[in-house]
Amino acid sequence: GENVEQHPSTLSVQEGDSAVIKCTYSDSASNYFPWYKQELGKGPQLIIDIRSNVGEKKDQRIAVTLNKTAKHFSLHITETQPEDSAVYFCAASGSNYQLIWGAGTKLIIKP
Amino acid sequence: ETGVTQTPRHLVMGMTNKKSLKCEQHLGHNAMYWYKQSAKKPLELMFVYNFKEQTENNSVPSRFSPECPNSSHLFLHLHTLQPEDSALYLCASSQDTSEGYEQYFGPGTRLTVT
Repeated sequence: GENVEQHPSTLSVQEGDSAVIKCTYSDSASNYFPWYKQELGKGPQLIIDIRSNVGEKKDQRIAVTLNKTAKHFSLHITETQPEDSAVYFCAASGSNYQLIWGAGTKLIIKP
Repeated sequence: ETGVTQTPRHLVMGMTNKKSLKCEQHLGHNAMYWYKQSAKKPLELMFVYNFKEQTENNSVPSRFSPECPNSSHLFLHLHTLQPEDSALYLCASSQDTSEGYEQYFGPGTRLTVT
């Protein structure tokens, strides 16, 4: 069936360093790849997304890259700050446009 | 209020109880969703409503019964639940169910089944 694998499950980085989270998807028909951030006590919130006709997209300190051939996409956060600490979820569009979600990455920013 | 609200925020219920979760969106969206979130697992889509009509039911047990009286309100009726149903239940809304529309999530209801 359709699935999205996300790694690592936990990532600890020093404040100011970069963080990279990677996802692999199985459905070659997927065209839309969003990333959501979930802070403690809140629901997930969209932070950036990318479509299959684009290889890279940036928004200030965050960027997403997509390799459709390899069915990989990644989230890059530069100059990490304490407020970046959260759980991050990747997702890929599946059949009936439903999102197939990764299991999440807990990002810890060490002061 | 703005965004997506959910009540109650926490719920403890016995296996023989009947309870309901409520979700309300103030965004003028046409689609609403129920998700189950368990620790270290992907979000599980349970139900999707578009223009008050249920469009998806992802093999959810009948002890979960959704209701969507209008595009702004969504309920999840619970009865005779099992301990493994304990989880965070998230409601979300979007302008449409088509690909690429951002989903806006509520804060969730933390459900514990004893």
